This record gives sequence, structure tokens and C-alpha cells, in this order.
Amino acid sequence: DTAVSQTPKYLVTQMGNDKSIKCEQNLGHDTMYWYKQDSKKFLKIMFSYNNKELIINETVPNRFSPKSPDKAHLNLHINSLELGDSAVYFCASSRNGQPNEKLFFGSGTQLSVL
Amino acid sequence: AQSVTQLGSHVSVSEGALVLLRCNYSSSVPPYLFWYVQYPNQGLQLLLKYTSAATLVKGINGFEAEFKKSETSFHLTKPSAHMSDAAEYFCAVSDRGTSYDKVIFGPGTSLSVIP
Repeated sequence: DTAVSQTPKYLVTQMGNDKSIKCEQNLGHDTMYWYKQDSKKFLKIMFSYNNKELIINETVPNRFSPKSPDKAHLNLHINSLELGDSAVYFCASSRNGQPNEKLFFGSGTQLSVL
Repeated sequence: AQSVTQLGSHVSVSEGALVLLRCNYSSSVPPYLFWYVQYPNQGLQLLLKYTSAATLVKGINGFEAEFKKSETSFHLTKPSAHMSDAAEYFCAVSDRGTSYDKVIFGPGTSLSVIP
């Protein structure tokens, strides 16, 4: 069983479209995250949720909207996609969001905006 | 604000040679420190972490790292490189003073192992 699973693995779309990425964790963790990894492998946090409550909301365009229907799921919806949104998006989870906790990552969604 | 630097975006070693990947942090209070590894087309996996116990931390796959407060460093080492160690390695920090972690990742070091 994959601990943190995200779909789809690849997403190719046109500028201006709206797309969603889904994430699920079966670890029983309270906290989930979205990270963005750019073409230079630089990894930056976008959002974190703890028990469905938004905890961290970095400087991200409001075209990006996370949604957490329950603590095991954190989805990412992106409106009006732009070329600069092309990146690999990683979902992650941790036991309780404390700063010394290990992060468990999904295998990533490679988004290509044409 | 916390920051992490990793000296050397690319490191090449011969199989069997010592692996040394450098990480320095900037913080007046020692943070929590982590090393993660990312294999091609995969997510990151934790190699090891420093939380405040022993300054020499042992991780998976034969890796270890030493926390040196005086040098604000947390370098990663492995005595003998294997071909399977070729990957991207990320040093990361999080602030002890926060209730919820905001892990800051370094820019990464790509490790190549030459047969």
C-alpha cells in the first residue's frame, strides 16, 4: 500500500485551463502539505492543513486553491493555468505537523502547461 | 528567517569513495535539521534527522551526519559510495519555535557515482 498517493502522475494541459491534483494518505496523519518543485529542483512549501484546517498559506497566487474534505485527503485545484505553473507538485504528510516530524512524500505530479 | 545552503549543486564520486555533501544553516537558535533523498521520478524520503540528542546522527543506507553548532553545519557523509546512491540530496531545516513546522529545503545536491 502506498502511504501517500497522488494522481495523476503526469498532467499536460493548455494555458487557461483549470485542473486538479488529488492526494490521499493512509498513514493516519493529521497534517498534509503541498510542495512545488521547479525545474532547478528547488522545493517550496505552498500550503499545509492540519485536521482539515489551513495552517500554512505561502505567497501563492489565488488561482491555487487547496481543499481538504477530510484529514486523509488534500486536493489542489488550479484555475487559469499559466506557463509558469509548470513544475512537479508533491503532496506530503506528517504525523502532527510539529517541526521535528518526518515528512512522507507522494511520488509527485508533473504538470506541463503548453 | 531560516535559510539553508548546500555547497556544490553537483558532486561526483567514484564507487567505493567517501561521500561528503555539505549543508549550512543560518539561525541563532539551532533548528531541527534533516537530510532527504530524492531518486529519479520519486518523492523525497527521509535519510536522517537531528532533533537535539546526539550530534552524530545515523540514518538509513549507511549515511550519517554530524551537527556542529560552532560551524552551523550539518554535513552528510557515507564512507563508501554505491551506484544506488546516485540521487538528489536535500538538506532541510525547521524552526524549533513554531507550533507547526514549515520545513525550508536547501537547493539540493545532485550526487553522481562513477563506476
